[in-house]
Amino acid sequence: DTGVSQDPRHKITKRGQNVTFRCDPISEHNRLYWYRQTLGQGPEFLTYFQNEAQLEKSRLLSDRFSAERPKGSFSTLEIQRTEQGDSAMYLCASRGPGQGAYEQYFGPGTRLTVT
Amino acid sequence: SQKIEQNSEALNIQEGKTATLTCNYTNYSPAYLQWYRQDPGRGPVFLLLIRENEKEKRKERLKVTFDTTLKQSLFHITASQPADSATYLCALLTGANNLFFGTGTRLTVIP
Repeated sequence: DTGVSQDPRHKITKRGQNVTFRCDPISEHNRLYWYRQTLGQGPEFLTYFQNEAQLEKSRLLSDRFSAERPKGSFSTLEIQRTEQGDSAMYLCASRGPGQGAYEQYFGPGTRLTVT
Repeated sequence: SQKIEQNSEALNIQEGKTATLTCNYTNYSPAYLQWYRQDPGRGPVFLLLIRENEKEKRKERLKVTFDTTLKQSLFHITASQPADSATYLCALLTGANNLFFGTGTRLTVIP
């Protein structure tokens, strides 16, 4: 078990470009979350998957954001037509299948800078 | 509106003392409250979970209390060490599956 991994770790893009991030959760974890974190703030929930089903999306999530988890394993988060306000750390977390498994395991994050 | 407030952005304490961090929330009914540690440039790491019907939880030098009447949790690190320096985040887990995080408190333990 190597933990949650995210790729890339850093991404610099120009405003208006599309970007895609990947998250590989811990292998037996069926629950996967995406968060966004800006400097001095706690992580902010974006979306949640159980297996391949996207069960919740934040009301704050713009239509430019989309996430997938096609086979219930890795997940991708795409941001279309990036804006400077999208600059942030994007964190992925996974959680085990057990009923009492509430702790989330976070990846190292992808830091996005939109110029 | 829903809010999770952590008492201060930054807290400096002397090595060996007990650090106490506060988390207050409004307009939530959390089933669970969690504390995470985050080091610069890294993702949060889970430390402790406490349920709404539990008053106190301990793990090694860490202690968490949870008062659902006051809507407050206290997080204590006893015999603090410079290696405890980090940002500590409280997070509420509601009946759904989402975690709502506070803004964090940056703790510095001075040798």
